[in-house]
Amino acid sequence: KNEVEQSPQNLTAQEGEFITINCSYSVGISALHWLQQHPGGGIVSLFMLSSGKKKHGRLIATINIQEKHSSLHITASHPRDSAVYICAGRSGGSEKLVFGKGTKLTVNP
Amino acid sequence: DAGITQSPRHKVTETGTPVTLRCHQTENHRYMYWYRQDPGHGLRLIHYSYGVKDTDKGEVSDGYSVSRSKTEDFLLTLESATSSQTSVYFCAISPGQGINSPLHFGNGTRLTVT
Repeated sequence: KNEVEQSPQNLTAQEGEFITINCSYSVGISALHWLQQHPGGGIVSLFMLSSGKKKHGRLIATINIQEKHSSLHITASHPRDSAVYICAGRSGGSEKLVFGKGTKLTVNP
Repeated sequence: DAGITQSPRHKVTETGTPVTLRCHQTENHRYMYWYRQDPGHGLRLIHYSYGVKDTDKGEVSDGYSVSRSKTEDFLLTLESATSSQTSVYFCAISPGQGINSPLHFGNGTRLTVT
């Protein structure tokens, strides 16, 4: 069992819908990264958070360290949001990240 | 964007040949990482470096070696490539190990071993 689990694995939405991607982890972590990877593209860091909530444009990330859960929300989704979203947890004092397998999001016009 | 460049971007090689992938950064970050990405798996750490000549193994290090003779360059070598090493390889850099240290990725190298 992967230490970091994402759900759903695949998600299809219509343009304008509110999107939620979940990340649960079984290891103790001190920080969590949300990453975005477009088809055939590189990986971009969206958020890094250790508590509470962060917002950037239409993207919102939340984390509850005690419950070992994080969510990535996309408001007013757009076809350009179509990508794979990956969460990764960093253990305290460790250089090693543990990655989820990713959620493939497709937003149709 | 963080200054991180991977080369080559694409490579096709034959089984048994040596291959070296290069990661070059202009950010003067201390930490550099090599990951591989395969279908059905999350990104997996091959090796990482926490300074010049300071490296450590990741979870899938067998068949790979690394070197870091300068802060800006981190080389990944496949001594004798095998088909199981066909993958997309990503380099990443980070300024520190604190919980607030950001992580920046290169654009990846697609390696095919025939």
